[in-house]
Amino acid sequence: NAGVTQTPKFQVLKTGQSMTLQCAQDMNHNSMYWYRQDPGMGLRLIYYSASEGTTDKGEVPNGYNVSRLNKREFSLRLESAAPSQTSVYFCASSEARDRSNQPQHFGDGTRLSIL
Amino acid sequence: TQLLEQSPQFLSIQEGENLTVYCNSSSVFSSLQWYRQEPGEGPVLLVTVVTGGEVKKLKRLTFQFGDARKDSSLHITAAQTGDTGLYLCAGALASNYQLIWGAGTKLIIKP
Repeated sequence: NAGVTQTPKFQVLKTGQSMTLQCAQDMNHNSMYWYRQDPGMGLRLIYYSASEGTTDKGEVPNGYNVSRLNKREFSLRLESAAPSQTSVYFCASSEARDRSNQPQHFGDGTRLSIL
Repeated sequence: TQLLEQSPQFLSIQEGENLTVYCNSSSVFSSLQWYRQEPGEGPVLLVTVVTGGEVKKLKRLTFQFGDARKDSSLHITAAQTGDTGLYLCAGALASNYQLIWGAGTKLIIKP
């Protein structure tokens, strides 16, 4: 069972470069999420999508854009990378159509370094 | 800003000892989830507690939700090296179900 698949697993960028982080889930879940995890700060929500075609800002959306391509795929784009965006990025999915008590299923993360 | 404070931030104990990790907030939650995260992987759900005062057991792990649904604890009995990891709590706010994450407790169990 693949669950939530994130690519790439590692990436090093130079300041100002752009890139897209890919995420796909095979559980037929409605909601998908992008988080960043920094030491001592827990998980912070960047964007989420309650259903195909809808996206909403989370706690730290500045510098990021997202696309819910279809029910399976949710991508995160950094248009002009900055060193402050160095982090581990996690994609998650949930059966719920909105914010709820439903558990979230996570990918293994993308470790991104911005030089 | 909604906060969910976890304590301790770091805990290193010998195999066989007992431990308790706490998750506290001033906010009321409709439910609280506990996850475990191992290095290089994403968090994995351990349990969800929903009712105030609820106690759930998962083998040697006991989870409790506070009566007022503002806090939770995780107690591990006779810790094993396989319990090593980062334990995260996440509360769903009663007002809008927004999920608030704690910063985590890094647990190391030494053989």
